[in-house]
Amino acid sequence: GENVEQHPSTLSVQEGDSAVIKCTYSDSASNYFPWYKQELGKRPQLIIDIRSNVGEKKDQRIAVTLNKTAKHFSLHITETQPEDSAVYFCAARRNDYKLSFGAGTTVTVRA
Amino acid sequence: SAVISQKPSRDICQRGTSLTIQCQVDSQVTMMFWYRQQPGQSLTLIATANQGSEATYESGFVIDKFPISRPNLTFSTLTVSNMSPEDSSIYLCSVATVQGGEVGAFFGQGTRLTVV
Repeated sequence: GENVEQHPSTLSVQEGDSAVIKCTYSDSASNYFPWYKQELGKRPQLIIDIRSNVGEKKDQRIAVTLNKTAKHFSLHITETQPEDSAVYFCAARRNDYKLSFGAGTTVTVRA
Repeated sequence: SAVISQKPSRDICQRGTSLTIQCQVDSQVTMMFWYRQQPGQSLTLIATANQGSEATYESGFVIDKFPISRPNLTFSTLTVSNMSPEDSSIYLCSVATVQGGEVGAFFGQGTRLTVV
C-alpha cells in the first residue's frame, strides 16, 4: 500500500515568516495530494490540494508543489499568522479514493 | 462540497459495550470511508463503506469489531463493538465527492469516543 512520510513533526516560526512542510510518497499510482489543517478538537479541513498533472498550485498565502519524479510534495505558507497554528496533514490518494496520511506537523506561529 | 453530518459528536462509554456512529451526507456520493484518529496520531483508514454490500476493511480491522452499514448513497453507520479503552479515538466519516469538476475528499466533524 501507499506509505506517506511527513517532515518535520513540529515547526515553530516567527509571525510573518514562511513555513514549509515536506512529504514523500511511495506509490507512483497516487494522483491526488490534499493537505489538511486540523485545529484542536476539530475535524481536518481541506486547505489545498494538487493533482498529478500539475506541478504547483497557489491559493493566497498557501502553495503546494509536486515533484512526481521524486515522489515528493510540499506545503508552503507565507506571511504566517497566529491563526495558522494547527496540525497539518499531507495525504496521497490513488484511483480507489483511499487516503494515506502523513504523521502530521504541529505548526506554532510565535507572535 | 458536500455537507457531512456525523453523530454523536462525542460519547463516553463503558468497556464491553458498543456504540454506533451515524454519517449523513446531503447529497449522493459514490465513496464513503471511515477513519480512526487515535490520540495525538494521524488518520488511519478503517474501511470503505460499500452501498448495498459488505464493507471493505483495511489490514488490522475486522468486521466483527467494526461492523459498517451503508443502505444508500447518503448514509452510513460504523459500530465500535465490545469496546476497550484502546478504542478511545476520534472516528471520522469521509466522502469523496465532485467539487469544481474534480473529486475532493472531505470529513465529517468526527465522533470523539472515550471508553472507561
